[in-house]
Amino acid sequence: DTGVSQDPRHKITKRGQNVTFRCDPISEHNRLYWYRQTLGQGPEFLTYFQNEAQLEKSRLLSDRFSAERPKGSFSTLEIQRTEQGDSAMYLCASSLGAESQGAGAFFGQGTRLTVV
Amino acid sequence: AQSVTQLDSQVPVFEEAPVELRCNYSSSVSVYLFWYVQYPNQGLQLLLKYLSGSTLVKGINGFEAEFNKSQTSFHLRKPSVHISDTAEYFCAVRGPGRRALTFGSGTRLQVQP
Repeated sequence: DTGVSQDPRHKITKRGQNVTFRCDPISEHNRLYWYRQTLGQGPEFLTYFQNEAQLEKSRLLSDRFSAERPKGSFSTLEIQRTEQGDSAMYLCASSLGAESQGAGAFFGQGTRLTVV
Repeated sequence: AQSVTQLDSQVPVFEEAPVELRCNYSSSVSVYLFWYVQYPNQGLQLLLKYLSGSTLVKGINGFEAEFNKSQTSFHLRKPSVHISDTAEYFCAVRGPGRRALTFGSGTRLQVQP
């Protein structure tokens, strides 16, 4: 088990272009989270999946953002018509069960997006 | 609503000295508390967590934290730091029934020789 894997690690795009990131969680982890982290700040929650169902979305997730988790395995996060304000590190995390049951979330190394 | 305040953005300390990184939270309900560490160009790694029970929680790499309900604090401590402990440390809170973590803004621990 190699942990949570994110691809690509870095992405530079021009404003207005669409980008898609991929996250491969730890196998058998049924919960998957996306967070966004800007410079000097802690991660901010974007969205959450339990298996293939997207159960929660933050108000930070504007209509330009969409996330999917087909078949409850890997997940993709797409940003349409990127803006400079989208520049950030996008983190994926996965867990098996709830923290109340002792489960912890494992984070990937993130995808750093730069919009120029 | 929950929020987390990390009072120090940077903490410089000499190697082998003790360190305390402060974290205060606000919540109207009981919460679960976490400390994560982020090394340069790495993802976040869980150091320790408080779910219930003993208020003193021991984690990896010699770190420990104490939950203080009356002061709504969850300060992280290490009796003797190493150069390799240089990293960003994040305190996070999660309420029961909530799925997401709410993070503080982080504290950069800089261990100097």
